[in-house]
Order: sequence, then C-alpha cells, then structure tokens
Amino acid sequence: DGGITQSPKYLFRKEGQNVTLSCEQNLNHDAMYWYRQDPGQGLRLIYYSQIVNDFQKGDIAEGYSVSREKKESFPLTVTSAQKNPTAFYLCASSTRMTLYGYTFGSGTRLTVV
Amino acid sequence: DAKTTQPTSMDCAEGRAANLPCNHSTISGNEYVYWYRQIHSQGPQYIIHGLKNNETNEMASLIITEDRKSSTLILPHATLRDTAVYYCIVRVLRNFGNEKLTFGTGTRLTIIP
Repeated sequence: DGGITQSPKYLFRKEGQNVTLSCEQNLNHDAMYWYRQDPGQGLRLIYYSQIVNDFQKGDIAEGYSVSREKKESFPLTVTSAQKNPTAFYLCASSTRMTLYGYTFGSGTRLTVV
Repeated sequence: DAKTTQPTSMDCAEGRAANLPCNHSTISGNEYVYWYRQIHSQGPQYIIHGLKNNETNEMASLIITEDRKSSTLILPHATLRDTAVYYCIVRVLRNFGNEKLTFGTGTRLTIIP
C-alpha cells in the first residue's frame, strides 16, 4: 500500500542536540511538507519542497533545516538553534496539481529534556 | 488564500447528524473549500472538498452557500470515532505556485454516547 511514513513515533533528546526526523513516501508525490503542531494549536508550516533539490521556508523555519535529495524522502533536522523544539511534527505530501489535498504521515512527537 | 472562521468546539449525540459550520466571507472565485480532520495524535485526514456545488462522499457531505461565504460539513450519522478536530481550509488550486495549506485551530467535535 502506498503511504507516507514518519519515524520514529516518539523521540527524546537532550537540550542542545540536533535531531533528524525521517519522512518517506511511496506515493510518487512531487511535493512534500513539514508542519509543527503545539498543544491545542493548529499546524504551522516549517518547510516545503515542490521538487527534488529545491525547498522553501515556511512560516517558522528558524532553527530547522531540510534536504530533498530524493523524491521519496524529506528529512527534517531540528537544530540546537530552535528555542522551543518540543512539539508534534507532521510530514505531508501531495501531487503536482492535486484536487485531493495532502496525505499526512502519523507524526513524530519530539520531547527535548 | 482566504481565512476561515470556525467554532472552537461542538458536541453531538452519537447517531445524530453533526453539522460543522465554517465562515469564509473573503473567499475568491477560484478558491476551493477543503475539510480535514485530525484524530488525537495522528496526522490530518482529507474528508471532502468543493468549489460551488454541494458534494457528498462516503465520509460526509459539504454544503456551500450560494454566495460561497460559508459552508457546512455534515457527518450524517456520527459515531464515537468521529470525535476529532475538524479543519476548514480554503485554497487556490495552483500548479506549483507557492502551494501550501494553512491550518487554523479548527473545531473540536466531541461525539457524546
């Protein structure tokens, strides 16, 4: 079955450490996105990529970095520069001209202690 | 993309129809109305979308007013599994423009046994 996979589901890190969240899709989607969700809040866009080797900052990109070396993969690195990294992170993908919106992964809950 | 306004929370009795309103008074002629839902600690799930006409699928119905300034998502026979946060989004269907969805805080729907 096609889908989008995020791993791990739960992640704990010490303050000051960089951490990379994985996102893989086998839907042959061109575009991929990273969102952050805080408790009781909506989703805020971190980064997005429309094609391989290209990506754009979203609304809250500071303290994060991404790469898009393969169509299937869009990893997100949460760096030590991110002041409040504890959150629920969601990855999504979509086709080029989608009428059906995004397909989301099941999320990674990052806790920094 | 136009902004949307939704009630913060709603309750509905199990087995009854759940009617979730959304106001999008600044919607443009080429913007679609989308609905997603997010069950706790999961990624959002696409439900339905529409432009002008009312739409129905296996999950829900979407009623859009004639002036397109508001819409209602209808879950015809709500079950406990429909308890979730429901997001109403309007977006232009672009071909690789700055394609990104903006999620507000949505409506928290609770189905009461």
